[in-house]
Amino acid sequence: AQSVTQPDIHITVSEGASLELRCNYSYGATPYLFWYVQSPGQGLQLLLKYFSGDTLVQGIKGFEAEFKRSQSSFNLRKPSVHWSDAAEYFCAVVRDSNYQLIWGAGTKLIIKP
Amino acid sequence: KAGVTQTPRYLIKTRGQQVTLSCSPISGHRSVSWYQQTPGQGLQFLFEYFSETQRNKGNFPGRFSGRQFSNSRSEMNVSTLELGDSALYLCASSSGQVDGYTFGSGTRLTVV
Repeated sequence: AQSVTQPDIHITVSEGASLELRCNYSYGATPYLFWYVQSPGQGLQLLLKYFSGDTLVQGIKGFEAEFKRSQSSFNLRKPSVHWSDAAEYFCAVVRDSNYQLIWGAGTKLIIKP
Repeated sequence: KAGVTQTPRYLIKTRGQQVTLSCSPISGHRSVSWYQQTPGQGLQFLFEYFSETQRNKGNFPGRFSGRQFSNSRSEMNVSTLELGDSALYLCASSSGQVDGYTFGSGTRLTVV
């Protein structure tokens, strides 16, 4: 069965430092992959998505993600985080049987001043 | 371009009551999905409607139901509320293709 794993429940980084959030998926074919961000009390905002082609995907707010088939990973990165990036980040893959999203458990990003 | 609008933003209900939540998708989007988000269970898929038909359904009891109108607006209903139904209910719309979903801000339901 398809699944998504975000191994880090919380990550704390200093403002201005680089960030990498991990996402691993289990899927047979080439997956459709997404990263969403959720600020407290809000809905989810799409950061970026990967369907095919270039394995390095650029998103909004300065985020990027790299699809690595050999590692079944789709890690989210940002070179320099800002305090406003503090939020929860969710990785998701589309289920091939019904095109619904399968979600990771989320990673809460905490920014140290 | 207006986003996905969910109303109301907050609700407090008593056990045993029923509740109806509303979602207005982005103009032109024909697919509306509903999710329940709780700290313990994370994001769980409830159901999806496309062109007024339920296209997919998650593993929730029959107390949870929904519908979609001809203008693509959707409602979900929860009957006989239980304490465990307290959650953030999120609605998401898409064009129906696999291109990502746009989410509303959610309805926070508290059952007391």
